[in-house]
Amino acid sequence: EDKVVQSPLSLVVHEGDTVTLNCSYEVTNFRSLLWYKQEKKAPTFLFMLTSSGIEKKSGRLSSILDKKELFSILNITATQTGDSAVYLCAVKETSGSRLTFGEGTQLTVNP
Amino acid sequence: GAVVSQHPSRVICKSGTSVKIECRSLDFQATTMFWYRQFPKQSLMLMATSNEGSKATYEQGVEKDKFLINHASLTLSTLTVTSAHPEDSSFYICSARDVTSGGADTQYFGPGTRLTVL
Repeated sequence: EDKVVQSPLSLVVHEGDTVTLNCSYEVTNFRSLLWYKQEKKAPTFLFMLTSSGIEKKSGRLSSILDKKELFSILNITATQTGDSAVYLCAVKETSGSRLTFGEGTQLTVNP
Repeated sequence: GAVVSQHPSRVICKSGTSVKIECRSLDFQATTMFWYRQFPKQSLMLMATSNEGSKATYEQGVEKDKFLINHASLTLSTLTVTSAHPEDSSFYICSARDVTSGGADTQYFGPGTRLTVL
């Protein structure tokens, strides 16, 4: 059975801190890994990673994938209170397009 | 671009009634849409995959006769919760697959529908 595990499940930091969120996976036919940010409503897309070792960046957020060790990290530098959200990691297989989600990391950034 | 809408955003109904939720891709065609449900403080659980013009594929444990899915056009999928009961109360989220966005294959999520069954 496909499995996506995120850690930590919950994290509380102060504004300006840097955080690293982890996502490990076990899937039969890996195709890509996606990161989403979920605030009050539905998730918003952040990154899709397909190849190992290639960092993707968007402002203060960056992410990288390690297909050998089967994990990805999401970094957020100089955190702001607006970064407070649940960050979801999902994995897509080569067959079809269904996503398997991890439990998410609840990030709280205090002023 | 890549906007997905859901309607209604919130619905409260009596036990035993049926509720229809619409999911629309506003600026792209989606041959595949997905329906998820999310309980408080839990992750998204895929319920079914909706393919335009064909029957939906349901995940194990999801009753297809209770959660009716119709994907009649390339921009619209509907989920009908039939004979709803309080245990069906949840946050229902759809996503639509955009295979044309610069060569990437990405799912975009709707804003979700909060269903409360009294």
